[in-house]
Amino acid sequence: QVQLQESGPRLVRPSGTLSLTCAISGDSINTANWWSWVRQTPGKGLEWIGEIYDSGATHYNPSLRSRVTISLDKSRTQFSLNLTSVTAADTAVYYCARRLVIIWDYGFDVWGQGTTVSV
Amino acid sequence: QSVVTQPPSASGTPGQRVIISCSGSTSNVGSNTVNWYHQLPGTAPKLLIYDNNQRPSGVPDRFSGSKSGTSASLAISGLQSEDEGDYYCASWDDSLNGHVVFGGGTKLTVL
Repeated sequence: QVQLQESGPRLVRPSGTLSLTCAISGDSINTANWWSWVRQTPGKGLEWIGEIYDSGATHYNPSLRSRVTISLDKSRTQFSLNLTSVTAADTAVYYCARRLVIIWDYGFDVWGQGTTVSV
Repeated sequence: QSVVTQPPSASGTPGQRVIISCSGSTSNVGSNTVNWYHQLPGTAPKLLIYDNNQRPSGVPDRFSGSKSGTSASLAISGLQSEDEGDYYCASWDDSLNGHVVFGGGTKLTVL
């Protein structure tokens, strides 16, 4: 059973960098999935941040692209999110998730429990 | 404001059938699959429908999805109290180097 677990600081200073890690158990980044970050601001909807493939290829939300970096750990058992120049608007619950793509997008089938980050 | 539009709220009584719509454009819903998620307060979203109309293992057949052109819909039949929560559609968008777009979400209330 695949499980994802987010970790990282819960409080980040304005203008600082938000850094989170997602630990993967029961799977690895070598499988044909995209590993994503999604956030949800208080009382609002879901916002996709970006994702990474095992090749290192990435996709980012156009509205966040200038501030976001997603990277792989060499162990292939975790991936990370860096979001720079944060403001209060970046306060949210941050989820990591696995997106299954088999020719077509089959959705986020595994999610972490989410971690609340306040700026 | 999301590029994929959902009604902000929906409601129904137990046993009723409710339909939630998801309207996009040719760069997302019109040319890619639509997936649906259900989220209860304080919990992570759960995949409910993938590839427009497929149910993951464990999802009751009361839930069904469909897509036509640039619109998709989620139907819930035999509404139950545990169906309350927020529902989101999502799709890949081919524009701007490609990205995932979520609908704004629909809050379902079982009266």
